[in-house]
Formats: sequence, C-alpha cells, structure tokens
Amino acid sequence: QQKVQQSPESLIVPEGGMASLNCTSSDRNVDYFWWYRQHSGKSPKMLMSIFSNGEKEEGRFTVHLNKASLHTSLHIRDSQPSDSALYLCAAKNTNTGKLTFGDGTVLTVKP
Amino acid sequence: AQTIHQWPVAEIKAVGSPLSLGCTIKGKSSPNLYWYWQATGGTLQQLFYSITVGQVESVVQLNLSASRPKDDQFILSTEKLLLSHSGFYLCAWSLHLNQDTQYFGPGTRLLVL
Repeated sequence: QQKVQQSPESLIVPEGGMASLNCTSSDRNVDYFWWYRQHSGKSPKMLMSIFSNGEKEEGRFTVHLNKASLHTSLHIRDSQPSDSALYLCAAKNTNTGKLTFGDGTVLTVKP
Repeated sequence: AQTIHQWPVAEIKAVGSPLSLGCTIKGKSSPNLYWYWQATGGTLQQLFYSITVGQVESVVQLNLSASRPKDDQFILSTEKLLLSHSGFYLCAWSLHLNQDTQYFGPGTRLLVL
C-alpha cells in the first residue's frame, strides 16, 4: 500500500520566519507530487506541483524534489499568520493513476 | 472558467437514514471526477473515481456508492448511514493526464447522530 509520510506533524514559526515541511513516498512508482493548503473548515487548495528533480519557486513558496529518494519539501519564507493551515502532500502512482495524500503538517504562524 | 459546486453545504442525519450528496462541474468537458472523505482531523481518503459517464470505480469500501448520471454530475449515496460516515466529503476534478492537478470543490460537512 502506498504511503506518504509527512513531517513534522505540527510546526510553529514566528511571523516573518521560514517554515520547512517534508514529505516522502514509500512507493517507487510515484512520479508526481503536489502540495495543497487547507485552511480550517475549507477544502484543500493546490499550492504547488513538482514533477522534476530540483527546485521550483513561486513567490514566497519553494518546493524541492529528489526523485531518487522520493522526497519533496516545501519552504515558506516570510511566513504570515494567513499561512496558518494544514499542508497536505500528495503523490501520484503513475501506474494506477491514484493520488495518495499524507496526513499533513499543521502550520501555525505566530504574530 | 471552470466551477465546481457541491450540495448540500452541510447535513445532520440520523443513523440508518439515507444520504445523497451531489457535485456539479461547469466549464470542463468530460473531466475525471473523484469523491474523497476526510474525518475530522484525519487524512483525505479517495472513495471513488470516474473517467466517463456511467463508469465509476470504487477505491475504498465504506458502505457508500457513487454514480455519474451526466458528464458534469457526480453523486455519492448510501441507503443506511453509520456513525462512522461523519466527516467532510469532497468532490474533485481533473483532466486526464497523470500530471494533471486535482481541484477540489467546497465540500459537504456531514454529521451522523
């Protein structure tokens, strides 16, 4: 069974600080990763996707992917209180097409 | 632009009663459609997916069923609710390639008492 592990479970950073979230898949047939953000009581919104080795930056958000280790990380610089949310990592098995989500990291940004 | 609607927004139902949740996608032709369930504080779990009208695949058995009666409509239902059905039900859509993103609707919050 494909598993997506996220760490840490929860994270508190000060406003203006850097938040770093991790995600690893145990399924060797995973090729594509997404990060979603889910504010309390709302549905998940796609934040970033990454499919190739390396780094991708969009504004304050940077994602890294190491395909050899099936590890991706999300970094949020200059964190804002509005970034406080559940961050979900999702990985797609390209054989089955199934998208599997991790349990998420709860980020709290303290003003 | 595509829009995704889910109904109802929230429901409180009795154990043993029937349930029907709906999802409509506008602005996309023949999308893949998905149902997910999220227990309070829990992981997003895919329940069903459909790549075309009339075809639905079950991913997890939770005493629920799904149907796709129209290209833009996806229905989740059960004849008998259990307490364990409480949670947040999310419909999602995507295009057809593996690298296509799944986009979620606003969700339906269900409480079974």
